[in-house]
Amino acid sequence: AAGVIQSPRHLIKEKRETATLKCYPIPRHDTVYWYQQGPGQDPQFLISFYEKMQSDKGSIPDRFSAQQFSDYHSELNMSSLELGDSALYFCASSLWGYNEQFFGPGTRLTVL
Amino acid sequence: EDKVVQSPLSLVVHEGDTVTLNCSYEVTNFRSLLWYKQEKKAPTFLFMLTSSGIEKKSGRLSSILDKKELSSILNITATQTGDSAIYLCAGASGSARQLTFGSGTQLTVLP
Repeated sequence: AAGVIQSPRHLIKEKRETATLKCYPIPRHDTVYWYQQGPGQDPQFLISFYEKMQSDKGSIPDRFSAQQFSDYHSELNMSSLELGDSALYFCASSLWGYNEQFFGPGTRLTVL
Repeated sequence: EDKVVQSPLSLVVHEGDTVTLNCSYEVTNFRSLLWYKQEKKAPTFLFMLTSSGIEKKSGRLSSILDKKELSSILNITATQTGDSAIYLCAGASGSARQLTFGSGTQLTVLP
């Protein structure tokens, strides 16, 4: 069965650079969620989208923005990167109204 | 603010043992509680428990939701080394779609 696809899987950036992470949800899933997981921490919700509209917002820094496109894929844009942004970024998808969220493999971002 | 607490934080057992992982939640407009298994990659969905489905079982894994105590347990019987992972519990509210995760239980199963 098709799963959530994230790209890139690994990304190394320097401080103050920008990064764009991409997420392709499971086919027919219309809702996308972004989570940030720091070393030894649980995933923290950042933001979610349904039908190209932001549905919920969590602890996403102002330096980050995201959007969902007409094909339901989503991009997380991160600017002015800081060392503390180094983490695993997960995307999850679901059908709107269903709580089961299926996670992608994650993008490991390292900021040097 | 929604909160999910898991215990124990870590657990070391031997193959064949039975383990019980605990999760308590304080979630506004609680809708469901989810269990995930996380190895060195993305969390893998295990169970979802709701007010209308308070007990789930799949092979050696089973989970129960206690709506009165606002808690859930995940049982694993006849543990295997492949069960070694972090088990995450997450609460979902009816008003918001994000999951609030607990800090996880690190389970290590020794041969």
